[in-house]
Amino acid sequence: DIQMTQSPSSLSASVGDRVTITCRASQSISNYLNWYQQKPGKAPRLLIYAASSLQSGVPSRFSGSGSGTDFTLTISSLQPEDFTTYHCQQSFSTPVTFGQGTKLEIK
Amino acid sequence: QVQLVQSGAEVKKPGASVKVSCKASGYTFTFYYMYWVRQAPGQGLEWMGLINPNDGRTSYARKFQGRVTMTRDTSTTTVYMDLSSLKSEDTAMYYCARTNSSSSPFDYWGQGTLVTVSS
Repeated sequence: DIQMTQSPSSLSASVGDRVTITCRASQSISNYLNWYQQKPGKAPRLLIYAASSLQSGVPSRFSGSGSGTDFTLTISSLQPEDFTTYHCQQSFSTPVTFGQGTKLEIK
Repeated sequence: QVQLVQSGAEVKKPGASVKVSCKASGYTFTFYYMYWVRQAPGQGLEWMGLINPNDGRTSYARKFQGRVTMTRDTSTTTVYMDLSSLKSEDTAMYYCARTNSSSSPFDYWGQGTLVTVSS
């Protein structure tokens, strides 16, 4: 199974900050990397697919990059509603696997 | 609009089984795979398996093989996930999520069904 490792596991930032979350795969997954946002008590929401494509309806302050084994999710200017948990997921091979999540907290 | 609506919360005793449903609407049911993903309290997301609603074929995570069964009813556009021999470690939120291929992301998710296993 492909292991997905996210870092950091938690991050403190302020409104307006630019933040980057990293996801590393245990083997090359090309660009089959997706990012989700999850608010407490809610289902995950797709933000970025195929490493860098913005899902319809997602604000442009979210962006993704990377290929192979190293990927990043960047939020260019944090808004209050962005302080929640983010997950990466590889869809390169079955079983699909997720990172352990990154919790973004207000500083 | 696309909707995946799951059945309500369940409380089960160890050793029992639970069956969670996921009713799909707003799209052609047989065109999208349905996956099941669970999340234990405070933990990450874990893939359990998938079903192809077009032909009913399934694929299960090794961890759940022998304990999980996924089925579908095309007449009601509903998929089901049956998990048997429940243990306390199965206490989790269970989600259905759709994708149009095994290499695509999950673009819509159900609201989740909390299954609590407790004696």
